[in-house]
Amino acid sequence: SQTIHQWPATLVQPVGSPLSLECTVEGTSNPNLYWYRQAAGRGLQLLFYSVGIGQISSEVPQNLSASRPQDRQFILSSKKLLLSDSGFYLCAWSGFYDEQFFGPGTRLTVL
Amino acid sequence: EDKVVQSPLSLVVHEGDTVTLNCSYEVTNFRSLLWYKQEKKAPTFLFMLTSSGIEKKSGRLSSILDKKELFSILNITATQTGDSAIYLCAVAYGQNFVFGPGTRLSVLP
Repeated sequence: SQTIHQWPATLVQPVGSPLSLECTVEGTSNPNLYWYRQAAGRGLQLLFYSVGIGQISSEVPQNLSASRPQDRQFILSSKKLLLSDSGFYLCAWSGFYDEQFFGPGTRLTVL
Repeated sequence: EDKVVQSPLSLVVHEGDTVTLNCSYEVTNFRSLLWYKQEKKAPTFLFMLTSSGIEKKSGRLSSILDKKELFSILNITATQTGDSAIYLCAVAYGQNFVFGPGTRLSVLP
C-alpha cells in the first residue's frame, strides 16, 4: 500500500532563516506530487506541483521554491523565511486519477 | 477571483440532524470535483465526482454533481459527533487543483 511521509511535524523558525521541508512517498512510482499551504481557518492553497523528476510548476509567486530530486521525493525550501510563511504545509500525491492523498503535514511558525 | 465557493462556511447541528453542504465552482477544462474531510491534520478523501447526476454514496454520506449548474452537494444523514470536521471541496481542472475555503461542521451531542 502507498504511504506518504512528511517531516518535521512542527517547526519554529526565526524570520530570515532558511527552510527545508521534505516529503517522500512509498508504494507507488511516478506519482504527481503537490505542496499546499493552509493558513489558520482557511482552505488549501496550491503552491507547487510536479509531474516528474525535475519538473516543477509554481502556482503562486513567493519566496518559496520546490525541487524533486528523485521520483518519490519532494522538497519545499526557502532561503529567507517571512512572517507570512507561517502555516500548515501539506504534501500530497496522486496517481492516474485525481484523488490526492495527503501527508500528515508540517506546522510552521515563523517568529 | 474565487474559483470554488463553499457554503455555509460554518454549521452547528445536533446529533441525528441531516446536513447539506454546498460547493459551486467556475473553472475551464473541468476534470473532477472532490470532497475531503479534515479533522485535525491531513484531509482524507471522501468522493470524486466526474459525471452529472450520478450519486456517490458511502454509509451516511452521499454526494452528487451538477455540471450544468456547476455545483455539488455533500449530504450527511443522522449526523454523529465524529462527523465534526472541516469539509473541503476541490476542483481539478487542466493541470491544476483548487480548494474551496471549507465548511466547518460541528455536531453537538
